[in-house]
Amino acid sequence: AQTIHQWPVAEIKAVGSPLSLGCTIKGKSSPNLYWYWQATGGTLQQLFYSITVGQVESVVQLNLSASRPKDDQFILSTEKLLLSHSGFYLCAWSLDNYAEQFFGPGTRLTVL
Amino acid sequence: QQQVRQSPQSLTVWEGETAILNCSYENSAFDYFPWYQQFPGEGPALLIAIRSVSDKKEDGRFTIFFNKREKKLSLHITDSQPGDSATYFCAASDGEGADRLTFGKGTQLIIQP
Repeated sequence: AQTIHQWPVAEIKAVGSPLSLGCTIKGKSSPNLYWYWQATGGTLQQLFYSITVGQVESVVQLNLSASRPKDDQFILSTEKLLLSHSGFYLCAWSLDNYAEQFFGPGTRLTVL
Repeated sequence: QQQVRQSPQSLTVWEGETAILNCSYENSAFDYFPWYQQFPGEGPALLIAIRSVSDKKEDGRFTIFFNKREKKLSLHITDSQPGDSATYFCAASDGEGADRLTFGKGTQLIIQP
């Protein structure tokens, strides 16, 4: 069975500090991977997607970057956090294009 | 311009009743519509999905009705249970660009026992 793990579970960071969030998929080979952001009580906004190692496409610009260093790993990062980065970050995977997306448990980020 | 709209924003029904959640969209190219269920503090879970070649999709107590001409769809939850209390998101995709899903703002469903 496939499992998706996100770390950390929650993070409290200061404005201007760096950030790194991680996502690991187990049980699936070469999945498509996605990062989403969700404001508290809000909708989900897709940020990045990746269909293979080393390739990441940006969907919206939020002063964030993403990387896929391994087939089963997706990293979201920034060198300088803004207050507006607060929210719930979700990683998702799908088998290929035009397929169902499955979400991880999320990381709650609070920027102070 | 919001491409996927959901109504109502919040809905309360009694246990055992049928809850009806509505969704409409702007982009005629959208042809895949998943619904997600999200509990507080958790990631969304795929509940049921429909492709535009169908006008109905059923899975247990959950049914999607789809009207392509009017660009509308609805999620019916029959025999509602308190455990169904959650936020439900309608999403849409046109199959381009590796599954760029566009989400609605969600409907918060409360089932009163």
